[in-house]
Amino acid sequence: KQEVTQIPAALSVPEGENLVLNCSFTDSAIYNLQWFRQDPGKGLTSLLLIQSSQREQTSGRLNASLDKSSGRSTLYIAASQPGDSATYLCAVLLSMFSGGYNKLIFGAGTRLAVHP
Amino acid sequence: SAVISQKPSRDICQRGTSLTIQCQVDSQVTMMFWYRQQPGQSLTLIATANQGSEATYESGFVIDKFPISRPNLTFSTLTVSNMSPEDSSIYLCSVSPGLAREQYFGPGTRLTVT
Repeated sequence: KQEVTQIPAALSVPEGENLVLNCSFTDSAIYNLQWFRQDPGKGLTSLLLIQSSQREQTSGRLNASLDKSSGRSTLYIAASQPGDSATYLCAVLLSMFSGGYNKLIFGAGTRLAVHP
Repeated sequence: SAVISQKPSRDICQRGTSLTIQCQVDSQVTMMFWYRQQPGQSLTLIATANQGSEATYESGFVIDKFPISRPNLTFSTLTVSNMSPEDSSIYLCSVSPGLAREQYFGPGTRLTVT
């Protein structure tokens, strides 16, 4: 059974710091891994999608890496801003060989607070 | 990316009643999904709803409790039946243009059952 773990559970940093959020998963049979942002009481915003054959993806100040063999992904946020404050969720898309079909398994999230 | 809307955005309901949540997408999509996010928890998939076929439910979720309709490629409904306080959650729909493609989420429906 696929399990997704995110560390740390919460993070509070001053503005301007570079951040690393970690995600690990137990079964390497995945199609892709997606990072999302969730603001309080709101839905999810997709940040980055990494296909299983890729090593990393970048969008603006965000960079996500994937090491499928070791079951790890990292989301790097450069020069953090107060507007980055949110919960960050990683999710893996199961492959059909692991019993899934377009099924996303989510981690519990990292709650980030960036203060001025 | 797809633009997804949900109605209602929030509701407070009495125990024993039912609520139907609507999900509307601005483009035709093959796959639609319904998730539940209980307070302080992450998201759990309830069911996959593909047009023209019965919804596929995940372990722990049953059609009698969470009936789903998918009448066309842009719309779906989820009903939460015979509600109890344990059903208080955020319910989110998501869509994907195809297998192993990116998923996009709606804003969610915050349900409180008293």
